[in-house]
Amino acid sequence: IQLTQSPSSLSASVGDRVTITCRASQGISSYLAWYQQKPGKAPKLLIYAASTLQSGVPSRFSGSGSGTDFTLTISSLQPEDFATYYCQQLNSYPPITFGQGTRLEIK
Amino acid sequence: EVQLVESGGGLVQPGGSLRLSCAASGFTFSSYEMNWVRQAPGKGLEWVSYISSSGSTIYYADSVKGRFTISRDNAKNSLYLQMNSLRAEDTAVYYCARFNLAANDYWGQGTLVTVSS
Repeated sequence: IQLTQSPSSLSASVGDRVTITCRASQGISSYLAWYQQKPGKAPKLLIYAASTLQSGVPSRFSGSGSGTDFTLTISSLQPEDFATYYCQQLNSYPPITFGQGTRLEIK
Repeated sequence: EVQLVESGGGLVQPGGSLRLSCAASGFTFSSYEMNWVRQAPGKGLEWVSYISSSGSTIYYADSVKGRFTISRDNAKNSLYLQMNSLRAEDTAVYYCARFNLAANDYWGQGTLVTVSS
């Protein structure tokens, strides 16, 4: 199963609402997770089961979708949110697959 | 506090071998499935291998199948990745990650493997 994220990169300002899309090549029910990664750091789990917020993650992050189309939304960008975001499918494995990443930069 | 600490990375020549370790603490290691995930310099995340909580079920990415071996020692709270016949394209930061809630909820800090002559 291939995951395609869009856009690959994105420039936005603090306070903006941002949406990142992840499309699966076949249906994966709700077995999708979202991660945030900052340079030189390990990925951090944000969302699992497509829409469940991981404990400790700010509520400005939300996820939605099922089947093949999923979105990660940040309702009001904060300075610490500028990072790279990855989706991951765990419906059908092996292999476990990741999207190619979306780099979120400061405008 | 959940902690995963990788070790064993370094510089190795093409065709060589390396064994990575991941020391787990702060949770009941024997109850959780585990993964190895890698990231080549400047690239995205690539899943490498999965092992069930008992070690009875193991999966590999096609790119490492036949060369890498995942294992665990639940008595020592440790996860391993034996890497043989290393290639330049195996150069990456290798992360161990706990598998929970249909996601990887905790990750180690990573260990860098460089394959070069």
